Amino acid sequence: DAKTTQPPSMDCAEGRAANLPCNHSTISGNEYVYWYRQIHSQGPQYIIHGLKNNETNEMASLIITEDRKSSTLILPHATLRDTAVYYCIVRALYGGSQGNLIFGKGTKLSVKP
Amino acid sequence: DAGVIQSPRHEVTEMGQEVTLRCKPISGHDYLFWYRQTMMRGLELLIYFNNNVPIDDSGMPEDRFSAKMPNASFSTLKIQPSEPRDSAVYFCASTRQGSGANVLTFGAGSRLTVL
Repeated sequence: DAKTTQPPSMDCAEGRAANLPCNHSTISGNEYVYWYRQIHSQGPQYIIHGLKNNETNEMASLIITEDRKSSTLILPHATLRDTAVYYCIVRALYGGSQGNLIFGKGTKLSVKP
Repeated sequence: DAGVIQSPRHEVTEMGQEVTLRCKPISGHDYLFWYRQTMMRGLELLIYFNNNVPIDDSGMPEDRFSAKMPNASFSTLKIQPSEPRDSAVYFCASTRQGSGANVLTFGAGSRLTVL
């Protein structure tokens, strides 16, 4: 699987957009980008995923660059409850070994009032 | 659905004792994963099952750890004998084969403290 690089920490003001970057320069053509987050003392929570098109759901938006070597997770209006560690994971959808995701260190997002 | 159910939520035991952690996956999910999380090592995949069969246990730290999935609705992770370095939060997760295979639902975790 392609390796990902994320900043260790970021701050964001409450009500502002939080933009979390992820670098995955060795991504393969069949690999998707997945984002999870882990709020303190809870299990990781799936947020969103995409292959090459931008994606949006009720939680966030995912912007993937045209060359697919990097992506940005956007929380449009961050709240204090969005304070968490955010993980970017690159994984193929098929080809065996489905679902055994490898979590890196992620980005610790602190939303401040 | 109640989600992935793990028990116990907290366990404090003494070194040398046997520990059994339990997991009930989401109904209809055919993959089940056991992860361990510590401050030093982060989230580590220990073992995963597909259709109740262990597929990859290369993350299991040593022979003191064992996992079983006797049926589609129940799995156990056992540590015998336990050691202080096993203190961690253990998460169970499940998913379904297909387009959502990498969308895991995690349980709330079992926090283990070995004294």
